[in-house]
Amino acid sequence: EDQVTQSPEALRLQEGESSSLNCSYTVSGLRGLFWYRQDPGKGPEFLFTLYSAGEEKEKERLKATLTKKESFLHITAPKPEDSATYLCGGFGSNTGKLIFGQGTTLQVKP
Amino acid sequence: GAVVSQHPSWVICKSGTSVKIECRSLDFQATTMFWYRQFPKQSLMLMATSNEGSKATYEQGVEKDKFLINHASLTLSTLTVTSAHPEDSSFYICSARGGLLDRYGYTFGSGTRLTVV
Repeated sequence: EDQVTQSPEALRLQEGESSSLNCSYTVSGLRGLFWYRQDPGKGPEFLFTLYSAGEEKEKERLKATLTKKESFLHITAPKPEDSATYLCGGFGSNTGKLIFGQGTTLQVKP
Repeated sequence: GAVVSQHPSWVICKSGTSVKIECRSLDFQATTMFWYRQFPKQSLMLMATSNEGSKATYEQGVEKDKFLINHASLTLSTLTVTSAHPEDSSFYICSARGGLLDRYGYTFGSGTRLTVV
């Protein structure tokens, strides 16, 4: 059965303190590993799509990487406005489903 | 580009009534729409996958007679919560592929907060 697991569940950082969020996945026929940001009461906002092991993508303070079993979202020198829940999801061609992990709620304190 | 419009944003209904939630793809054709449910401080739980012109595929444990999904056109999918009860109160969100996955990923609607009283 396809599964996506994120850790930690919650993360508190001081402004400027870099860290990484983890996403472990078991998705048959992976056709994309996705990262989203979600603010309270809103729909998820697309960040990155990764397709194959070794791939990396960057956007401002965020960098996403992918291995055969995990993906990491690295946050460099975070700011309070980076506070949100970050969701990792995988689309499996075998199931045709897009499933998500539990999310990591990030709080960045000034 | 790749916008999914979801309505209503929030709705309060009485127990026993039905509520319809709409998701429209504004600038693309959505052959497949995913419907999710999200409880407070929890992740997205896939409820069903709908394909235009065919019956939706429901996840295990999701009552198909309670959560009716219709995907009658390439730009509109609806979720109807029938005979709603307080335990159906939740945040419901739809998602569809809006084009280049590199650029848009799967595009989400803004969500519908359903409260059943």
